[in-house]
Amino acid sequence: KAGVTQTPRYLIKTRGQQVTLSCSPISGHRSVSWYQQTPGQGLQFLFEYFSETQRNKGNFPGRFSGRQFSNSRSEMNVSTLELGDSALYLCASSLGGHPDTQYFGPGTRLTVL
Amino acid sequence: KQEVTQIPAALSVPEGENLVLNCSFTDSAIYNLQWFRQDPGKGLTSLLLIQSSQREQTSGRLNASLDKSSGRSTLYIAASQPGDSATYLCAVNPGNTPLVFGKGTRLSVIA
Repeated sequence: KAGVTQTPRYLIKTRGQQVTLSCSPISGHRSVSWYQQTPGQGLQFLFEYFSETQRNKGNFPGRFSGRQFSNSRSEMNVSTLELGDSALYLCASSLGGHPDTQYFGPGTRLTVL
Repeated sequence: KQEVTQIPAALSVPEGENLVLNCSFTDSAIYNLQWFRQDPGKGLTSLLLIQSSQREQTSGRLNASLDKSSGRSTLYIAASQPGDSATYLCAVNPGNTPLVFGKGTRLSVIA
């Protein structure tokens, strides 16, 4: 079974731009969660989508948004990029039950200049 | 609010040594606890998952233990090798909320 895939793997943007990251979950998984990892803050939860609905949300500004499609693929968008948004963005998929076990993708490294 | 702490933040050991990484959490109401490995610039690789009803899990040279009542888990690595050099992350699954991660222990195994 194929694992979680994320595209692109690397991105370089400038301040003020926007960016869209994509995550394809493991086949059969209906939940996708997004995490931001920075050296200072570690891994922080952004949001979770289940069956195309946002089910849980972390403490991030409204510039961070996401969506999920009917095939469970998910995208996250960051608008008006700031230098502090430079991070590794990780996506995790799971079956969607509570409780559940998450499987992580390789991440997208975003650099904001 | 669940908080996860990993000590030490960094560790350097000579090859062949046995070592223990520590993880503590503040709320014992967890579903499971997971240990991950992360190589520089890469994603997370799951090493071991311990359900709340279990005391330990083993995989090869790795052994993870869980003491829910005291809010502690340890990851034991036997006969360390240079290839074990990475950051090791502990994550608690509270059940109805997202994973809560520690900040990791950066391990260097010197040949």
